[in-house]
Amino acid sequence: GDSVTQMEGPVTLSEEAFLTINCTYTATGYPSLFWYVQYPGEGLQLLLKATKADDKGSNKGFEATYRKETTSFHLEKGSVQVSDSAVYFCALIGGSNYKLTFGKGTLLTVNP
Amino acid sequence: DAGVIQSPRHEVTEMGQEVTLRCKPISGHNSLFWYRQTMMRGLELLIYFNNNVPIDDSGMPEDRFSAKMPNASFSTLKIQPSEPRDSAVYFCASSRTGGGRGYEQYFGPGTRLTVT
Repeated sequence: GDSVTQMEGPVTLSEEAFLTINCTYTATGYPSLFWYVQYPGEGLQLLLKATKADDKGSNKGFEATYRKETTSFHLEKGSVQVSDSAVYFCALIGGSNYKLTFGKGTLLTVNP
Repeated sequence: DAGVIQSPRHEVTEMGQEVTLRCKPISGHNSLFWYRQTMMRGLELLIYFNNNVPIDDSGMPEDRFSAKMPNASFSTLKIQPSEPRDSAVYFCASSRTGGGRGYEQYFGPGTRLTVT
């Protein structure tokens, strides 16, 4: 079945540091890939998405590229802010066309 | 445009009581999902509705859980009787589906359920 593996946290960075959160997946066919963010006490918000190989999703300074050859969708940001502190989830929709499969989440803390 | 609306935001109840969680999806979305989030198990899909019809309820833990979607703008998740192990955050999400591809899902703020 479909699965998502993302780097274990927590990740602690200083403001303006470079961020990478690794995500790899297993799925049949051509899944759609997503990053969601969950701020403390809130629901999940869609951060970015990519629906086919080599697509780059981007939003709020975050980027991720759909790499089919390495089955990866790593999240990056060049300069993090304190307000980026949250839990980040990598996810995919595979052959079912509806079921979101999530990674376990990575807690990011950015210190001033 | 309003996002997914859930109520209540917080619910504290005693073991054995009935709990009903409510969800209003985004207008125009034809798919609705109920998820449960716990520290131990992460995010789990409980049930998926498409065009108001339950399509996949394989994630519903047991018969104590039931979900309905009487129309395109309303769904309920009921737990009867509730147990302490049901304590979790329950999310509702909606999306549009069709055309053989998976579309992004939009989540509500969640209902934090505590069963004592």
